[in-house]
Amino acid sequence: QKEVEQNSGPLSVPEGAIASLNCTYSDRGSQSFFWYRQYSGKSPELIMSIYSNGDKEDGRFTAQLNKASQYVSLLIRDSQPSDSATYLCAVTNDMRFGAGTRLTVKP
Amino acid sequence: EPEVTQTPSHQVTQMGQEVILRCVPISNHLYFYWYRQILGQKVEFLVSFYNNEISEKSEIFDDQFSVERPDGSNFTLKIRSTKLEDSAMYFCASSEARTYEQYFGPGTRLTVT
Repeated sequence: QKEVEQNSGPLSVPEGAIASLNCTYSDRGSQSFFWYRQYSGKSPELIMSIYSNGDKEDGRFTAQLNKASQYVSLLIRDSQPSDSATYLCAVTNDMRFGAGTRLTVKP
Repeated sequence: EPEVTQTPSHQVTQMGQEVILRCVPISNHLYFYWYRQILGQKVEFLVSFYNNEISEKSEIFDDQFSVERPDGSNFTLKIRSTKLEDSAMYFCASSEARTYEQYFGPGTRLTVT
């Protein structure tokens, strides 16, 4: 069965630190990968998309994709308390979401 | 900035009743989706819709569910004969193409009593 796996956390980092979120997927044919942020009681909000191996940077966020290892990650630099949320990894070949990693950034 | 909208924000219904959840996708998007999220659990794909027909559906999307695009803007999810376990947040999403970024609406919280 195709799966998207994430560490559920919680992951706690101090303000200003780098938060590293990881995701693995089982379907080698997957082509598009996304990170969403979800605040409690709200809908998923798109942060990053990545389609090819390597790094993609957008402001404080960097997504990394390694298709050979079936691994995608999200780095958040200079973490802020407002980044505290659940981060969802999504593989949209078959519309699968991971269960999410809960991140807490402590002031 | 264009956004996906959903109505109602909260729907309470009795077990066995039919409900219709409504969504207005982003206007130039061609693919539409419904997801659900039971409290404390992961986001689960229900169905995708393209060119006025279902393109993919999950095992959750059984005969109890149906989708429709009744006009040029609305996209609906109908749940017939609701069950207690249908209580969840239902999210609509849309994208320009199948593998492109999906943008989510604010969700409808469905409570079945």
